[in-house]
Amino acid sequence: DQQVKQNSPSLSVQEGRISILNCDYTNSMFDYFLWYKKYPAEGPTFLISISSIKDKNEDGRFTVFLNKSAKHLSLHIVPSQPGDSAVYFCAARRSNSGGSNYKLTFGKGTLLTVNP
Amino acid sequence: KAGVTQTPRYLIKTRGQQVTLSCSPISGHRSVSWYQQTPGQGLQFLFEYFSETQRNKGNFPGRFSGRQFSNSRSEMNVSTLELGDSALYLCASSTPESSGANVLTFGAGSRLTVL
Repeated sequence: DQQVKQNSPSLSVQEGRISILNCDYTNSMFDYFLWYKKYPAEGPTFLISISSIKDKNEDGRFTVFLNKSAKHLSLHIVPSQPGDSAVYFCAARRSNSGGSNYKLTFGKGTLLTVNP
Repeated sequence: KAGVTQTPRYLIKTRGQQVTLSCSPISGHRSVSWYQQTPGQGLQFLFEYFSETQRNKGNFPGRFSGRQFSNSRSEMNVSTLELGDSALYLCASSTPESSGANVLTFGAGSRLTVL
């Protein structure tokens, strides 16, 4: 049972335009959502997060929106740059997951390609 | 500040063998988590250690095990390797629990190929 879903395996956008990456989840116990970016041959790096008590969090070119009623979140990148080309993983944390706050459930990732 | 260090970066094993992977967390980070990344399944949680104790475990068979030492360094072991164990194994360390969003800092991973 996949609790975090990224239904688009890939996305291609033009430089300067907006990139929108989507993520859906099924578990209502998730209380924190995170986005990680991964380049080939490197580990994922943290990008931005949002608490379930908020509906928007912004950091520079990156904004994450959370719609709890729809169990949906999205990552907006504006403007997109060629260096943003990477795999983006959506992840969720369940509150009080067996005494640990460090277990994350990841989606399968979306490969973003930003064309010059 | 040094990042999360994983060794070896690449290794090739044959079916039936066993493998041990090592992870040195960021200094001061006491929690170490392990994830398996495969093309079809994304990142899947293996286990998490804190102060030498396993606090959480994912849905992997008993062939997958781990431990953490007093200096927070961690190792994971896979015994009786199968072809399907070929994957990128990622280690991540975390700040103390008061940090809130429990941001994980990942290492570059150990790429295991089972022939």
